[in-house]
Amino acid sequence: TQLLEQSPQFLSIQEGENLTVYCNSSSVFSSLQWYRQEPGEGPVLLVTVVTGGEVKKLKRLTFQFGDARKDSSLHITAAQPGDTGLYLCAGDTGANSKLTFGKGITLSVRP
Amino acid sequence: DVKVTQSSRYLVKRTGEKVFLECVQDMDHENMFWYRQDPGLGLRLIYFSYDVKMKEKGDIPEGYSVSREKKERFSLILESASTNQTSMYLCASSLPQQGFGEKLFFGSGTQLSVL
Repeated sequence: TQLLEQSPQFLSIQEGENLTVYCNSSSVFSSLQWYRQEPGEGPVLLVTVVTGGEVKKLKRLTFQFGDARKDSSLHITAAQPGDTGLYLCAGDTGANSKLTFGKGITLSVRP
Repeated sequence: DVKVTQSSRYLVKRTGEKVFLECVQDMDHENMFWYRQDPGLGLRLIYFSYDVKMKEKGDIPEGYSVSREKKERFSLILESASTNQTSMYLCASSLPQQGFGEKLFFGSGTQLSVL
């Protein structure tokens, strides 16, 4: 099973701050997904990145796939309390493999 | 609005009981999954199914079984519940994205406590 390491594990910031979190692996992925899970709910897909070096933006969230397709970052600009949640990355190695999930990053944004 | 519905949000059972967790999806997806989620361990795949009456073991199938008699319904069965099966259980169905892996749609989860 390929390992996805997410960092930091916990992050607590003030509203309006910027932050970057990471998802790293020694394995190459054909695609990588980011999910957000709010308390009491299941994860919801935010984005899928496929091409090495790809950058995708979702409002204040910017996702980047590493050039070698082994890692990804998520940058949030001007964080808001609504961004609070557990952020999970999940990688797919292709060839009908199942998604491998990281352990997640718990983000708390204080008003 | 697409939906994956898990029958219970909270469940309390006793050690040794047989437990059924039910999941229904209304998206006509062929693929369905059961995960458990534990603090510090993330999501771990228990079983999945690509078609009716078909099942495949995931990473941690021990102590669990599944049933898929209809396309929209995927049940997780704990034959004899144990305290180490206390966890959040998440059901998901998926829409394959050609060349992009699978897009998973999750239910809201069932928090199971085994006493």
